[in-house]
Amino acid sequence: EVQLAESGGGLVQPGRSLRLSCTASGFTFGDYAIHWVRQAPGKGLEWVGFIRSQGYGGTTENAASVKGRFTISRDDARAIAYLQMNSLKTEDTAVYYCAREDDPSGGFDHWGQGTLVTVSS
Amino acid sequence: QSVLTQSPSASGTPGQRVTISCSGSSSNIESNTVNWFQHLPGTAPKLLIYSNYQRPSGVPDRFSGSKSGTSASLAISGLQSEDEADYYCAAWDDSLIGWVFGGGTKLTVL
Repeated sequence: EVQLAESGGGLVQPGRSLRLSCTASGFTFGDYAIHWVRQAPGKGLEWVGFIRSQGYGGTTENAASVKGRFTISRDDARAIAYLQMNSLKTEDTAVYYCAREDDPSGGFDHWGQGTLVTVSS
Repeated sequence: QSVLTQSPSASGTPGQRVTISCSGSSSNIESNTVNWFQHLPGTAPKLLIYSNYQRPSGVPDRFSGSKSGTSASLAISGLQSEDEADYYCAAWDDSLIGWVFGGGTKLTVL
């Protein structure tokens, strides 16, 4: 069974850093791109960024709202994707989800349950 | 302001057919495929439609997707109370070099 589980959320002060993890099981992790999507309180889903599989270079893309502050990486041997969040702002407060992108359909076919990040002083 | 535009709300009675629209541009919907997701608060979003009209296994055929030009639609027929949720469209944007989501449509089953 395909499973994704986010961890690492919590309360953090503005300007500080936090690293989220997305731990996968039930599939060959290295063959898939992994996305991060967030939902701020009372708002809709917002794409944060993704990391391609090594087969596609393992490169990343980020949304303009987090570019230069957030970095996505992956450890295929451990089946974990990371979201390193630096210079956090109050508007980064959200539930953060990771999702697997099916290849070649491009569908985000499996999601984790999410982890809450609260940025507040 | 989301790049993809959805009506904030939609409603229908049990058994009815409801359509949710998603408006984009030449750099996203017109040139790339569209995903549709169902999201209940506090749960993981669920993929309903990928590649404009394809359904993952396990998604009832009451759900269907279509695309024309810069717009896409999700239709739900035989509406059921369990369909009450938020629905989002998403597509890759060639100009932004990233995925974009619609603002979401809250579906109420009356």
